[in-house]
Amino acid sequence: DAGVIQSPRHEVTEMGQEVTLRCKPISGHDYLFWYRQTMMRGLELLIYFNNNVPIDDSGMPEDRFSAKMPNASFSTLKIQPSEPRDSAVYFCASSLQQTEAFFGQGTRLTVV
Amino acid sequence: GDSVTQMEGPVTLSEEAFLTINCTYTATGYPSLFWYVQYPGEGLQLLLKATKADDKGSNKGFEATYRKETTSFHLEKGSVQVSDSAVYFCALASGGSYIPTFGRGTSLIVHP
Repeated sequence: DAGVIQSPRHEVTEMGQEVTLRCKPISGHDYLFWYRQTMMRGLELLIYFNNNVPIDDSGMPEDRFSAKMPNASFSTLKIQPSEPRDSAVYFCASSLQQTEAFFGQGTRLTVV
Repeated sequence: GDSVTQMEGPVTLSEEAFLTINCTYTATGYPSLFWYVQYPGEGLQLLLKATKADDKGSNKGFEATYRKETTSFHLEKGSVQVSDSAVYFCALASGGSYIPTFGRGTSLIVHP
């Protein structure tokens, strides 16, 4: 397996634009997590899915953020409209129950 | 709820020095414990893990022992190298929830 695959690796966008981040988890994993990493806050859990169903989105900063998992092999995190304070590295991770989480390489988002 | 506390960084060492990064946790039940490493510009990678009390996880010269009595999982290495410079995250996953909970991370800088 190629591991967790995220795209794009880097995204630069203007304030107010819609941004969509993509993630392909490891095949067979039943949990998928979206994290945001910043210098100020460290690694924050935004939302996680179990068997494609969103379980806890309490970490999503506000209504501008949304996440979907239409099938077991794909998830998106959307920000609309984007703001400069959304600039961060966004990680997707997947796991099989209580085993370790496997992380993608992240998407570095810059909103100017 | 579950939580992980790591020592503040950065930790700055000379090559071949001994490394300890402290980690303590709070969790319900008997969690699995992990150390992840993040090299510059990359995602988190699992370094080692331990799933029950007194287990010792080890990898690449790093070790950590699951201490239930002190709720600790300190990371150690006998002789660090410049290539070990990275950010190290302590994490847990408890039986009641499969969400990985991460500490804030500790930056390690090793000088030649």
